[in-house]
Amino acid sequence: AQKVTQAQTEISVVEKEDVTLDCVYETRDTTYYLFWYKQPPSGELVFLIRRNSFDEQNEISGRYSWNFQKSTSSFNFTITASQVVDSAVYFCALSPSNFGNEKLTFGTGTRLTIIP
Amino acid sequence: DAGVTQSPTHLIKTRGQQVTLRCSPKSGHDTVSWYQQALGQGPQFIFQYYEEEERQRGNFPDRFSGHQYPNYSSELNVNALLLGDSALYLCASSLERGLGNQPQHFGDGTRLSIL
Repeated sequence: AQKVTQAQTEISVVEKEDVTLDCVYETRDTTYYLFWYKQPPSGELVFLIRRNSFDEQNEISGRYSWNFQKSTSSFNFTITASQVVDSAVYFCALSPSNFGNEKLTFGTGTRLTIIP
Repeated sequence: DAGVTQSPTHLIKTRGQQVTLRCSPKSGHDTVSWYQQALGQGPQFIFQYYEEEERQRGNFPDRFSGHQYPNYSSELNVNALLLGDSALYLCASSLERGLGNQPQHFGDGTRLSIL
């Protein structure tokens, strides 16, 4: 069985501060995919990143960066110089990597509020 | 380039009724998945359709059924509605390239309220 834990239920930071969202996962699969999605108030889940378990390199995209550590089963997400538009609920998700098995298992989400 | 579209946006039903939710995938996508998101929770996988067949199913009762049409659009049907079925229902689409696990793109969802 797969499980994703996002221990931070809610986080509030002042605009321009850096913030890190934690994600810890459990899986018996030797290969898998990890994802982060953003859910603004409109409800749509916006895809941010997909990472293959083979690739442990950290990734940076503008103000966003992701730290994947297989040894600790963590896939943390950092926003640098936060902005009000970053306010949303963020979900970490996990899926197997075998063909035809694409079920996404989500964490319970972290509600991020950026205070102007 | 149209994204995933779902209809209706909101729906109110009473216990025991039946409901059909609809989804049109993102242009070029052939795989559709449905998720249920209760308030304050993460989405829970219901099932996935590919080539007009249910390919994978989560832990949901048979009251939840679906269909995929040749144009890849999909329906989610729920029979004998219960109060606990109140949730946001999300549709996601992706392109099956034989590689699996392509990023799923989500619609805005249908908010279903059961009275």
